[in-house]
Amino acid sequence: NAGVTQTPKFQVLKTGQSMTLQCAQDMNHNSMYWYRQDPGMGLRLIYYSASEGTTDKGEVPNGYNVSRLNKREFSLRLESAAPSQTSVYFCASSESPISRVKTQYFGPGTRLLVL
Amino acid sequence: LAKTTQPISMDSYEGQEVNITCSHNNIATNDYITWYQQFPSQGPRFIIQGYKTKVTNEVASLFIPADRKSSTLSLPRVSLSDTAVYYCLVGEPVGGGADGLTFGKGTHLIIQP
Repeated sequence: NAGVTQTPKFQVLKTGQSMTLQCAQDMNHNSMYWYRQDPGMGLRLIYYSASEGTTDKGEVPNGYNVSRLNKREFSLRLESAAPSQTSVYFCASSESPISRVKTQYFGPGTRLLVL
Repeated sequence: LAKTTQPISMDSYEGQEVNITCSHNNIATNDYITWYQQFPSQGPRFIIQGYKTKVTNEVASLFIPADRKSSTLSLPRVSLSDTAVYYCLVGEPVGGGADGLTFGKGTHLIIQP
C-alpha cells in the first residue's frame, strides 16, 4: 500500500514549455486534489475531483488543467509554464467529498522550477 | 469559510509539553477542527481531528472549549523530531464550495535539545 504517489519528484522547465504532473492513489479514494505551496506559505488548492469523471476549480486554477483519468489517477498539466508557477505541488486524496471527516492523505510533492 | 489564526512560530525543548492554540471565531455548526503536521520536503500529515471537548490519540490531544471558537493542540513530551509546521484547519460545510482544505501559514514549531 503506497498511499499517494507523485511523479516526477523534481522538474526544471523553461518558460513556455509544457508538462504533466502525475498522481496516483491506491486507497480506493473517491476524491483527489492538487495543491501548490510557495516558500513560507500554506497550501493553496488548484483543482479538485470530487469523484471519477468530475473536476472543479479551486482557489488558483489559472494556467493549469487537470484530468481525472480513472479512480486512481489525477494529473495536472501546465500548458505554457511561467516563472510564477515555480512551486512545490502536492497531490492528495480523501475517501468521500460528502464526508465531514475531511482527512486528506498527501503525496511527497513535486518540486517545479520554471526558468 | 472559517478563518483560523495561530502563532507563526513557537520554540520549546525536548521533553516538554507543547500547546499550540488556534482561533476560529467564525466556525460553523457542522465544522470539524483538524490538525496537520508538515516536515520539510514532505506533504502534510493528518494528526488529529475533533468536534468538541477533548480528543486523544497516540500522537496528540486536542482540546476544544464549549464555544468552539478556539482549539488547542497538545503534544506531550516533544522530541527533536517534532520540529515541523503545524496547521489548524476548520472543515468546510458539507456540499458547499470547493472541497479542498484551507491551509493558512501554520505554526513553525522548533524543538531544541
